[in-house]
Amino acid sequence: DAGVIQSPRHEVTEMGQEVTLRCKPISGHNSLFWYRQTMMRGLELLIYFNNNVPIDDSGMPEDRFSAKMPNASFSTLKIQPSEPRDSAVYFCASSGTEVGQPQHFGDGTRLSIL
Amino acid sequence: GQSLEQPSEVTAVEGAIVQINCTYQTSGFYGLSWYQQHDGGAPTFLSYNGLDGLEETGRFSSFLSRSDSYGYLLLQELQMKDSASYFCAVRDPELIFGTGTLLAVQP
Repeated sequence: DAGVIQSPRHEVTEMGQEVTLRCKPISGHNSLFWYRQTMMRGLELLIYFNNNVPIDDSGMPEDRFSAKMPNASFSTLKIQPSEPRDSAVYFCASSGTEVGQPQHFGDGTRLSIL
Repeated sequence: GQSLEQPSEVTAVEGAIVQINCTYQTSGFYGLSWYQQHDGGAPTFLSYNGLDGLEETGRFSSFLSRSDSYGYLLLQELQMKDSASYFCAVRDPELIFGTGTLLAVQP
């Protein structure tokens, strides 16, 4: 079975540019999560969706960040405009909705904003 | 506030047993999970405790005491490939991750 697929794996861009990260969850999973990982702040939940509906976006740092899930098999995380402090590894994860269901993580996108 | 505390680093030798502790303070609690992350990789699920007690999966075991807001991950028969970061995470109801414990297994 294919796992969670994220693209791109690496992104290097200049500050001020728009960045779009993509995620395809595991088929049949109806919860999707976006995380950001840095040395300073660890693994932070940015936003999560249940059945394509955003449930909690309190972790989204500011209005420059937005996330969408137009259907059950695709989600995007967009940063516009990007800033150097956005440099991090961004993970997407998916799971079933039952309590205790493990989250399956994608390989992440390593984002560097110059 | 919400917090999960675990040791930042642990060192052990091959074949040994190591225990990684996690104490938590969260507004809600729907279970304690453990994830492993190798350097440069993605977190991978190891175990889940929804109720008090011990869960065993091969060389790994996880324990939970809800009254003490405490859990641990026990790794037995350590192997070099177990060198990684280990995160405890509380469902509240979404996952809140601890800061991670870097385990170094030495020959």
